Amino acid sequence: AQSVTQLGSHVSVSEGALVLLRCNYSSSVPPYLFWYVQYPNQGLQLLLKYTTGATLVKGINGFEAEFKKSETSFHLTKPSAHMSDAAEYFCAVMMWNDMRFGAGTRLTVKP
Amino acid sequence: EAGVTQSPTHLIKTRGQQATLRCSPISGHTSVYWYQQALGLGLQFLLWYDEGEERNRGNFPPRFSGRQFPNYSSELNVNALELEDSALYLCASSNRLAGRNEQFFGPGTRLTVL
Repeated sequence: AQSVTQLGSHVSVSEGALVLLRCNYSSSVPPYLFWYVQYPNQGLQLLLKYTTGATLVKGINGFEAEFKKSETSFHLTKPSAHMSDAAEYFCAVMMWNDMRFGAGTRLTVKP
Repeated sequence: EAGVTQSPTHLIKTRGQQATLRCSPISGHTSVYWYQQALGLGLQFLLWYDEGEERNRGNFPPRFSGRQFPNYSSELNVNALELEDSALYLCASSNRLAGRNEQFFGPGTRLTVL
């Protein structure tokens, strides 16, 4: 069965600094990979997804992620953090309509 | 295009009661998923409905059940509520038949069991 590990339950960066949220997955077949963001008291919003093709995926709000098969990773990055990026981020892997989420990483952005 | 909607926004019940949560998917989406997000436990998959049938369920007891109606809306029922059922319940929908596999989430129902 597939699974997702998000390294770091809390990440804190300064405004304008690089954001790097780590995600590693395990899957017996090429997976579909997703990043979602959850703002307080809201549902999850899709940031970006990887299915096939280009391994560098660009999403909304300036985020991007790179699928690295050899490292089984799908880390989320943003060159310059904004205060509005403060939220919880979830990495997810899907196989055969079975989507599994990581435990989430809470991103704090300091002024 | 209207998103996934859930009702009620908040629900307060006492232990032993039953709770019913409702979800309306995005128009044209046939799959509905239910997740439990309890404090400190992340998102736990509950149930998946597609075309009116239950396709998969997570590791939850039978008192968690649901159904999907002909218009693809869905209902989650939780019987014999326990304190640990207090959580945010999220519904998501996807357009599986069109080969689109990303899930779109509703705002959730906050269930509090006293």
